[in-house]
Amino acid sequence: DQQVKQNSPSLSVQEGRISILNCDYTNSMFDYFLWYKKYPAEGPTFLISISSIKDKNEDGRFTVFLNKSAKHLSLHIVPSQPGDSAVYFCAASGNYGGSQGNLIFGKGTKLSVKP
Amino acid sequence: DTGVSQNPRHKITKRGQNVTFRCDPISEHNRLYWYRQTLGQGPEFLTYFQNEAQLEKSRLLSDRFSAERPKGSFSTLEIQRTEQGDSAMYLCASSLAGVRSTDTQYFGPGTRLTVL
Repeated sequence: DQQVKQNSPSLSVQEGRISILNCDYTNSMFDYFLWYKKYPAEGPTFLISISSIKDKNEDGRFTVFLNKSAKHLSLHIVPSQPGDSAVYFCAASGNYGGSQGNLIFGKGTKLSVKP
Repeated sequence: DTGVSQNPRHKITKRGQNVTFRCDPISEHNRLYWYRQTLGQGPEFLTYFQNEAQLEKSRLLSDRFSAERPKGSFSTLEIQRTEQGDSAMYLCASSLAGVRSTDTQYFGPGTRLTVL
């Protein structure tokens, strides 16, 4: 049973416009959420994170929004650039049971930014 | 820049052979994680160490898999009697863990394993 879901396998956006990537989770014990960007044949690169005590975190062109009641988070990229084209993974962690911070990942969304 | 490094980057082996991968974390990081990623999936947690102690293992980690972090620095992941289903990208990550679980993990470039 997938605890972190990214329901859109792909997203295509025009350069300069906003990219919105979505993520849903089921485990209410998750308290930390992260977004990673991955190019082919490379490891994931950390982008931005948010703690469950916040509902928004911003870093340059990247903003993550967290809606705990809906168990939903989203990553906004404004403005989108061709170099943003990659696979984006949503990940979650929590300190519960035997889990001490290992990340649970979604399946990823492939973002294509067209010039 | 002393990020997480992994060696080798690629490994091709025949079914039944043993393979060993190495991960060197960011130097001051006390936690080290191993993940596996297959095509079309996100990384899946295998195991993690805090310093030299292996604190958690996923049920994905069969008896053929063993990981060590002998001096709390680099780590090795060994797969014995490899099977074709072991073909995947093996990712290592490290973090500096505090009191809370909210530590950010930084990933290495991965080792791509192909079992023929």
